[in-house]
Amino acid sequence: DGGITQSPKYLFRKEGQNVTLSCEQNLNHDAMYWYRQDPGQGLRLIYYSQIVNDFQKGDIAEGYSVSREKKESFPLTVTSAQKNPTAFYLCASRPGTGLYEQYFGPGTRLTVT
Amino acid sequence: GDSVTQMEGPVTLSEEAFLTINCTYTATGYPSLFWYVQYPGEGLQLLLKATKADDKGSNKGFEATYRKETTSFHLEKGSVQVSDSAVYFCALIAGNMLTFGGGTRLMVKP
Repeated sequence: DGGITQSPKYLFRKEGQNVTLSCEQNLNHDAMYWYRQDPGQGLRLIYYSQIVNDFQKGDIAEGYSVSREKKESFPLTVTSAQKNPTAFYLCASRPGTGLYEQYFGPGTRLTVT
Repeated sequence: GDSVTQMEGPVTLSEEAFLTINCTYTATGYPSLFWYVQYPGEGLQLLLKATKADDKGSNKGFEATYRKETTSFHLEKGSVQVSDSAVYFCALIAGNMLTFGGGTRLMVKP
């Protein structure tokens, strides 16, 4: 089955630690995205990548970093510089250019205490 | 820039009631329009889409018609079920990036 996997579903960390969230897709999509969602809120774009080895900042990139070394993978690191990291993180992908929809993973809920 | 405006929720309905969630948009060019649904604790799933004016997207009893003259894409369902309780997001794409509305929470009571 083709799709997007995010792991783990729940993640707990102590304040001051960096943490990396995994996102893998086997849809052969060129573009991948990371969003943050706070309770009762909409989606905010953190980073996106249109092609391997290239990525751009979204609206709330501060305190986050990404890499795109392989087409299938787009991990997100939440650094200790992110002031309020507790949130639900969603990864998405789409085929690339063109008016195509995005496909979403199941999300990772990160709790930092 | 592009934008999507949805009605604020929560929308609370009794089972079998008629549902409308309003969505209007601003975009350059000719966008494609989407409705996504998010169940509690899950990612977003594409519910339906329309790619040109007057297209009607439909899925699982939900419908939405791409109205260019009113720049709208309202979501409707004739008879909601408790299992339809979720957050619904309207979205558009006109270039390379999707633009999402703020989401509307639907609560259906038995």
